[in-house]
Amino acid sequence: GENVEQHPSTLSVQEGDSAVIKCTYSDSASNYFPWYKQELGKRPQLIIDIRSNVGEKKDQRIAVTLNKTAKHFSLHITETQPEDSAVYFCASFNFGNEKLTFGTGTRLTIIP
Amino acid sequence: GAVVSQHPSWVICKSGTSVKIECRSLDFQATTMFWYRQFPKQSLMLMATSNEGSKATYEQGVEKDKFLINHASLTLSTLTVTSAHPEDSSFYICSAVWGEKINYGYTFGSGTRLTVV
Repeated sequence: GENVEQHPSTLSVQEGDSAVIKCTYSDSASNYFPWYKQELGKRPQLIIDIRSNVGEKKDQRIAVTLNKTAKHFSLHITETQPEDSAVYFCASFNFGNEKLTFGTGTRLTIIP
Repeated sequence: GAVVSQHPSWVICKSGTSVKIECRSLDFQATTMFWYRQFPKQSLMLMATSNEGSKATYEQGVEKDKFLINHASLTLSTLTVTSAHPEDSSFYICSAVWGEKINYGYTFGSGTRLTVV
């Protein structure tokens, strides 16, 4: 089955600086890669996603890049703010079998 | 659009009792729903795939007799934790895929925090 690795597990960034979280996946059939932000005790919130036919996508301070050949994708947050502090999960999805596999999560802390 | 409603949001039950969690797709039909469990400081782990009108598919290591799943309609799936024990205390989240082909996404319920005492 699919295996998603996520790094780093924890990340502390000075407010205003950029944060980068990286994920790799194993199933070449995966075709959708969402990123979720989860606050304590709440559901994961989709913050950005990318489909396999696109290499990069940006939404204000958040961007995601995908390298299908290398099977890795990354989340980039620029101009970080304290409210960005949360746990972030990457995931890979195979529309064929509708399996969503999560990474292990990254606890991002923005230092004021 | 693509809203999944999950109830209850939290429940406390005594050891040995059963608890039912409901998951409804409000504005779309969900042939398939998914149930996840999340322990503190860990990632979401898929427990089972719930298929409308047929038996659920359980992931390895998940006891089907303990976690009963019923998907009786295109908008409702339920998870019943039977004979709950303290180790079943966790955050349970359902989800569903909406859309098809080019335009699709994955949406989550609000989650249920189960505490077994």
